[in-house]
Amino acid sequence: AQSVTQPDIHITVSEGASLELRCNYSYGATPYLFWYVQSPGQGLQLLLKYFSGDTLVQGIKGFEAEFKRSQSSFNLRKPSVHWSDAAEYFCAVGGSGGSYIPTFGRGTSLIVHP
Amino acid sequence: NAGVTQTPKFRILKIGQSMTLQCTQDMNHNYMYWYRQDPGMGLKLIYYSVGAGITDKGEVPNGYNVSRSTTEDFPLRLELAAPSQTSVYFCASSPNGRQDTEAFFGQGTRLTVV
Repeated sequence: AQSVTQPDIHITVSEGASLELRCNYSYGATPYLFWYVQSPGQGLQLLLKYFSGDTLVQGIKGFEAEFKRSQSSFNLRKPSVHWSDAAEYFCAVGGSGGSYIPTFGRGTSLIVHP
Repeated sequence: NAGVTQTPKFRILKIGQSMTLQCTQDMNHNYMYWYRQDPGMGLKLIYYSVGAGITDKGEVPNGYNVSRSTTEDFPLRLELAAPSQTSVYFCASSPNGRQDTEAFFGQGTRLTVV
């Protein structure tokens, strides 16, 4: 069965510092991977997705993620964090067996210090 | 474009009461989902639907029921509310069953059972 692991529950960074949020997946075939962001009191919004091609994917709000098959990872990065990036971040893997039922990680809460 | 709309945003229920969480989408999406989000636990799938008249259980369906009489609406029914159902509920939709397709989320319903 497919699964997603986000090992960090909370990450704290200073404004202007770089950011990396970790995501590891378990999937039998070529994975379809997503990062979503949830701002306080809001629903989830897609940041970026990967399903083929270039392993470095660019998303909205200056985020990028790199797919590494050898490490089963899809880590999210941003070179310089802004206070408005404080949110919950979810990694997800697309469904298998021809049916799109995504599986989400437990989320990583990003705290940004001024 | 409204996207996915959930009502109400907040609700307090007494143990044993019933209620319906409403979800409607105006994107003509076939797939719709209900998730619950508990702190540190990520998103758990309650029920999903692949089209009008078709629903199926997710990971945590006990205590809930759904129906899908139209493409637009996917209400979630709680019968005999219990404290364990205190959570944030998200409705989501996607256009089809393709694995590379993102899900679109509503803003959530925060439910407290006392």
